[in-house]
Amino acid sequence: GAGVSQSPSNKVTEKGKDVELRCDPISGHTALYWYRQSLGQGLEFLIYFQGNSAPDKSGLPSDRFSAERTGGSVSTLTIQRTQQEDSAVYLCASSLGLSNNEQFFGPGTRLTVL
Amino acid sequence: AQTVTQSQPEMSVQEAETVTLSCTYDTSESDYYLFWYKQPPSRQMILVIRQEAYKQQNATENRFSVNFQKAAKSFSLKISDSQLGDAAMYFCAYRSTGNQFYFGTGTSLTVIP
Repeated sequence: GAGVSQSPSNKVTEKGKDVELRCDPISGHTALYWYRQSLGQGLEFLIYFQGNSAPDKSGLPSDRFSAERTGGSVSTLTIQRTQQEDSAVYLCASSLGLSNNEQFFGPGTRLTVL
Repeated sequence: AQTVTQSQPEMSVQEAETVTLSCTYDTSESDYYLFWYKQPPSRQMILVIRQEAYKQQNATENRFSVNFQKAAKSFSLKISDSQLGDAAMYFCAYRSTGNQFYFGTGTSLTVIP
């Protein structure tokens, strides 16, 4: 596609349920990033992938959060046993490579945990 | 850990005038990158301008320019000839040598016709 796409655009779930957020990066982009943006806040860096590898997972807020990337393309961010404080917009971005600094962002997934 | 501070939650500017958005950061690294991103109500983040720390010359992109003061750890954004389409949230960001990005809390810019 022309840009980074994310699905779903909005997700409402009940506390305790698992959710899976998807990111389709721009074709050919080897680097992929996940961020969380809470209401009125800046972006919180969660994790990045170079290819299928995530060298540093320390930015993930808790062990309920996990992310994977397969085939060097699509990535999924999974949140298990969701809590109300997980409510936020989750943004994905991709870039040609780690040495290329221009990240292209997707439109985000707005997650609401009731 | 690196931190990025934007001390102006809101700013306003008259159309065609100039406005400067402030950003400071804290780091012990010597080589890094700095960015300004724009986020309009559509939520799509757009790169406005970037600066490599090893470059002394301030980056410029059309009406957007930065004032990068490495010693002071300051990275302000100047928007000249402001246009209605410039209204958005502006985020300052820092990229570490470990490829992690740190964002400020943003400045909401209003452009007054």
